[in-house]
Amino acid sequence: DAGVIQSPRHEVTEMGQEVTLRCKPISGHNSLFWYRQTMMRGLELLIYFNNNVPIDDSGMPEDRFSAKMPNASFSTLKIQPSEPRDSAVYFCASSLADRGSQPQHFGDGTRLSIL
Amino acid sequence: SQQGEEDPQALSIQEGENATMNCSYKTSINNLQWYRQNSGRGLVHLILIRSNEREKHSGRLRVTLDTSKKSSSLLITASRAADTASYFCATTEYGNKLVFGAGTILRVKS
Repeated sequence: DAGVIQSPRHEVTEMGQEVTLRCKPISGHNSLFWYRQTMMRGLELLIYFNNNVPIDDSGMPEDRFSAKMPNASFSTLKIQPSEPRDSAVYFCASSLADRGSQPQHFGDGTRLSIL
Repeated sequence: SQQGEEDPQALSIQEGENATMNCSYKTSINNLQWYRQNSGRGLVHLILIRSNEREKHSGRLRVTLDTSKKSSSLLITASRAADTASYFCATTEYGNKLVFGAGTILRVKS
């Protein structure tokens, strides 16, 4: 079975540019999560969706970050304009349940470098 | 702030030895999960223990949960070089929002 698919795997761009990260969750999963991982701050939840609806975006750093889930099989995380401090590994994860009692399945992440 | 705090931060053992990692958390939880992350990869779920359970096994993994002490431990028995990875605990306070600890880096030397 295909797992969570993220693209691109690596992204290098200059500050000020728009960055779009993409995620395809596991088919049938109804929850989707975006995380950011850095050495300094560890793994942080940015936003999560249930049934394509954003439930908690309290982790989104600022207005430069936005996330969408237009359908059950696709989500994007956009940063505009990007800054060097946004450099991190961004993970997407999906799960079946909406009660926190099921494991989350992670993609292999997008390593983002903002120069 | 992070809910779970793993201890130790790093652990280096010989192949065949047991590895024990600990996790402490601050608030009441519904369940606690352990994940593994290999270098350059995403996290992989290992085991979930509910707040009304005290111990759970999965293969070479044994997890305990002490809600009175707000702590959990992960034991990997007969470790292998392939167990080299970072290990994270994650707690669920409400809904399906997970809060991850900082992780323990495990190195198993062959």
